[in-house]
Amino acid sequence: GAGVSQSPSNKVTEKGKDVELRCDPISGHTALYWYRQRLGQGLEFLIYFQGNSAPDKSGLPSDRFSAERTGESVSTLTIQRTQQEDSAVYLCASSLAPGTGLTRYTFGSGTRLTVV
Amino acid sequence: DAKTTQPPSMDCAEGRAANLPCNHSTISGNEYVYWYRQIHSQGPQYIIHGLKNNETNEMASLIITEDRKSSTLILPHATLRDTAVYYCIGQGRDSNYQLIWGAGTKLIIKP
Repeated sequence: GAGVSQSPSNKVTEKGKDVELRCDPISGHTALYWYRQRLGQGLEFLIYFQGNSAPDKSGLPSDRFSAERTGESVSTLTIQRTQQEDSAVYLCASSLAPGTGLTRYTFGSGTRLTVV
Repeated sequence: DAKTTQPPSMDCAEGRAANLPCNHSTISGNEYVYWYRQIHSQGPQYIIHGLKNNETNEMASLIITEDRKSSTLILPHATLRDTAVYYCIGQGRDSNYQLIWGAGTKLIIKP
């Protein structure tokens, strides 16, 4: 598509429920990233996918968080047993394969998750 | 990792040049400086990046000091639509994709 698409745009869930967030990257972008942004703060790296390589999961805050990506297409971020501290905007970005650091990210509009 | 320091907020009059500073004193020789901005309720948008030379594109100019310890993003003729949070980003240490994000500068353009 023309841009990075994320769904849903807003999600309100009860504490303890599981949620699944979706990201549809730009066609041809082999790299895909998930970030979390708490209110008034900068972006916090969560996970990175590049082609068929093993993902870099070093930013996932706990084992309640997981993400999958099928090939070079859609990715889903799953949060199990949600907690109130999970409330944030979850941003997805895609880019061409990182090489020499000339990586320009295109971000989606994010999913605003509220855990009540 | 290249840590960046930015003022939390700035004001600028509409039509004037907005100059946003960023300190990145720990940046290494092969680390780039990127600028993004985030308008309310949207994802960050790429503006410009540079290594050591000054750069200009249709959105902005980037001035990097010779010692590479700081840079300035210049929006030459600010409009109300330029009100946003501006992030100065250093490249990750152990990888070239994990960018470290600070809290940015909230730029408010006033009519």
